[in-house]
Amino acid sequence: DIVMTQTPLSSPVTLGQPASISCRSSQSLVHSDGNTYLSWLQQRPGQPPRLLIYKISNRFSGVPDRFSGSGAGTDFTLKISRVEAEDVGVYYCMQATQFPPTFGGGTKVEIK
Amino acid sequence: QVTLRESGPALVKPTQTLTLTCTFSGFSLSTSGMCVSWIRQPPGKALEWLARIDWDDDKYYSTSLKTRLTISKDTSKNQVVLTMTNMDPVDTATYYCARIPNYGSGSYSGAFDYWGQGTLVTVSS
Repeated sequence: DIVMTQTPLSSPVTLGQPASISCRSSQSLVHSDGNTYLSWLQQRPGQPPRLLIYKISNRFSGVPDRFSGSGAGTDFTLKISRVEAEDVGVYYCMQATQFPPTFGGGTKVEIK
Repeated sequence: QVTLRESGPALVKPTQTLTLTCTFSGFSLSTSGMCVSWIRQPPGKALEWLARIDWDDDKYYSTSLKTRLTISKDTSKNQVVLTMTNMDPVDTATYYCARIPNYGSGSYSGAFDYWGQGTLVTVSS
């Protein structure tokens, strides 16, 4: 199985300041069809996960543009340009390039 | 509007079989490319994918759990059912169902776009 490693484990951020989360995969996530099936999910406290970003950098419907994704191959990043109070929660990266789909361990974003 | 909702027992005893039902609306599992998965999350821990069923009734299972899992669908009821045998306290988790649409098409995203609220299952005697 592909192992997804996220850093940092926790990210205390001041409101209005940027935050960045890294995700590294144990193998390249480039699929034979040329796509990279790397997505980012947000899980607010007590809530189910919510899709933010798919195929590295595509924002899902309704996701604010302060969220952006980038990366290639095995290294990926989720950035929040200006953290708001509602962004508190745990963020997961996930790969669906290779079976089975696997998730990162999560990064907790909290307000300083 | 796409919605999914998990249901099942909140408490099961060790060695028992767990049966969970995902009831969904806003899409059909008979639509080409539609898939529904089960994913679980132990308290305070990360997400773990368990199983998937596709529109054409293809089924896929977690390698480590496949001997204990069975996934099925009832298209007429808009339901997907997961059974897990020989439950153990380590299986205590919130169990989610989620969908991935457009598998095999040019618009496939590889992402779970809609999730249920989850159902917490505790395994204890």
